[in-house]
Amino acid sequence: QVQLVESGGGLVKPGGSLRLSCAASGFTFSDYYMGWLRQAPGKGLEWVSYTISSGGAIYYSDSVKGRFTISRDNAKNSLYLQMDSLRAEDTAVYYCARMTTYKNTNYYHFDYWGQGTLVTVSS
Amino acid sequence: DIVMTQSPLSLSVTPGQPASFSCKSSQSLLHGSGQTFLYWYVQKPGQPPQLLIYEVYNRFSGVPDRFSGSGSGTDFTLKISRVEAEDVGVYYCMQSIQLPLTFGGGTKVEIK
Repeated sequence: QVQLVESGGGLVKPGGSLRLSCAASGFTFSDYYMGWLRQAPGKGLEWVSYTISSGGAIYYSDSVKGRFTISRDNAKNSLYLQMDSLRAEDTAVYYCARMTTYKNTNYYHFDYWGQGTLVTVSS
Repeated sequence: DIVMTQSPLSLSVTPGQPASFSCKSSQSLLHGSGQTFLYWYVQKPGQPPQLLIYEVYNRFSGVPDRFSGSGSGTDFTLKISRVEAEDVGVYYCMQSIQLPLTFGGGTKVEIK
């Protein structure tokens, strides 16, 4: 079955960096787009970034563009999120999610999510 | 950005009774292909979100048939025909016709 396991969260000071990882199993990782989403404490869901299956195209929300970098290693079935210049407002549970499309359009949605990893940005 | 607005904010339902919640988008989610890129997720307490419905009315694998989605253009509805205790959680709608992908604020379902 599809499994996504995030790691790398923790406490970091404002301005600091953190790298999140997501280990995927139970499906052919290299066939799927993958994304990161987040959920601030007590708040709703926010899309952060996604990458196409080859890693050749990448998209970011405006709130993280220029500070976060998504990448993937298809040989290791892994997705990453390098987070730099962290701010208090980046405090959230970060979810890794698989993306899929119905009828092979270019419009993707999330079908499986990991359990999430908590990132706390505080001095 | 497309703004997704959900109502009500919360709902308290008696087991066995129906429930219905609304999601409205600030722009049409209908694509020229005829497909509409509106999805429903549920986040049960202490769990990550899980996909319920894709493209308005298609139930995801394993989703009970008491869940149904409907709507078109900018107005969408998720219905639970007979609420069960396990349906407690926050229900979110999401659009994917345009970046950034955006979610509604959620409707919290509680059991009476």
